[in-house]
Amino acid sequence: DVKVTQSSRYLVKRTGEKVFLECVQDMDHENMFWYRQDPGLGLRLIYFSYDVKMKEKGDIPEGYSVSREKKERFSLILESASTNQTSMYLCASSTSGRVSYEQYFGPGTRLTVT
Amino acid sequence: GQSLEQPSEVTAVEGAIVQINCTYQTSGFYGLSWYQQHDGGAPTFLSYNALDGLEETGRFSSFLSRSDSYGYLLLQELQMKDSASYFCAVRDSRAAGNKLTFGGGTRVLVKP
Repeated sequence: DVKVTQSSRYLVKRTGEKVFLECVQDMDHENMFWYRQDPGLGLRLIYFSYDVKMKEKGDIPEGYSVSREKKERFSLILESASTNQTSMYLCASSTSGRVSYEQYFGPGTRLTVT
Repeated sequence: GQSLEQPSEVTAVEGAIVQINCTYQTSGFYGLSWYQQHDGGAPTFLSYNALDGLEETGRFSSFLSRSDSYGYLLLQELQMKDSASYFCAVRDSRAAGNKLTFGGGTRVLVKP
């Protein structure tokens, strides 16, 4: 079974802090993704990576950065946390290629910025 | 860009049939996926349609009409455990990395 794990289920940080969210997958997937989920807005893509050290902006990258130094690990960084970044953060991974359409999600990190 | 529209909420009784519609506007289309998410859980993949027509997987079926930019998820013989949110998602043909754009989600509430 594909397993995607995230470093924390719940996190509380203060405004202005630098926040690191970690994601690890164990299926040797090329692609990894970071989403945030807010009620009524679905899942919105923040950043994704299709290879080690490669990254692409998603739909809402402002205020975030990412790092992928190893294939299995994809980190999301909030450079200076703000209250409007309070949200559920979901990591996902998938294989590459034309027939790869399934993304496997981690359990999520609920981040509260006070 | 991409945009997807789906109803925000649907309520039905056990044993009933529910159809969740999804209309999309995209500048490049590869396929339509459906995901299920229970409260507090992670989204899990249900189905994928790249070609027109109906795909059946047990009690759930998914349909796509590329010419109408429209698809639906059909939940049959509803069970209490089907209470969850359901998301449609479009795979962009132009994007590297299997990028998906998700709709806002439809919350399905199954009543006894």
